[in-house]
Amino acid sequence: NAGVTQTPKFQVLKTGQSMTLQCAQDMNHEYMSWYRQDPGMGLRLIHYSVGAGITDQGEVPNGYNVSRSTTEDFPLRLLSAAPSQTSVYFCASAGGGTGELFFGEGSRLTVL
Amino acid sequence: GENVEQHPSTLSVQEGDSAVIKCTYSDSASNYFPWYKQELGKRPQLIIDIRSNVGEKKDQRIAVTLNKTAKHFSLHITETQPEDSAVYFCAATDLSGTYKYIFGTGTRLKVLA
Repeated sequence: NAGVTQTPKFQVLKTGQSMTLQCAQDMNHEYMSWYRQDPGMGLRLIHYSVGAGITDQGEVPNGYNVSRSTTEDFPLRLLSAAPSQTSVYFCASAGGGTGELFFGEGSRLTVL
Repeated sequence: GENVEQHPSTLSVQEGDSAVIKCTYSDSASNYFPWYKQELGKRPQLIIDIRSNVGEKKDQRIAVTLNKTAKHFSLHITETQPEDSAVYFCAATDLSGTYKYIFGTGTRLKVLA
């Protein structure tokens, strides 16, 4: 079991560029989510999904898109990157009724 | 919307002393309250959790208490050790509904040797 896998681990973008952060889990979890972590702000929920074909907005969804075409994958898209999106991004999944949220290793994104 | 407040933001204790971190949640539908530990440069990892039908849970030096009426829950670490130094996050969610996890802003715990 690889758990939750995120790619890339590091990325530098210029303002206005687009990119996709990939997230995959092999635990057959129904719940997947994306968080951003900024100093002093904790983990803020961007988007989440409770199953394939179902997504919903979290606390800070502006500037980000998601889709959930399969149970395993939950990519996060930045359509036009802004310096305010410089952050560490974590993908996380949960399922099986246990409640435990499993995190990926994180992706550090810098927007210049 | 849902909100989780966490205090204090930083906490320094002497090795061997106890540490207490407190959280308050706003959504009365919340029924699951986990605590995560994040070491520098690492991902958050679950250290203990509690469900709404339980008032207290203990695992060795770590315990969590829940007051549903007041919408408060707390993490207690006894006999602190240097390896307890990390950032701790509380969270709340409704496992039977939205499954939407909301985290507190974190507490940086420093255990002084």
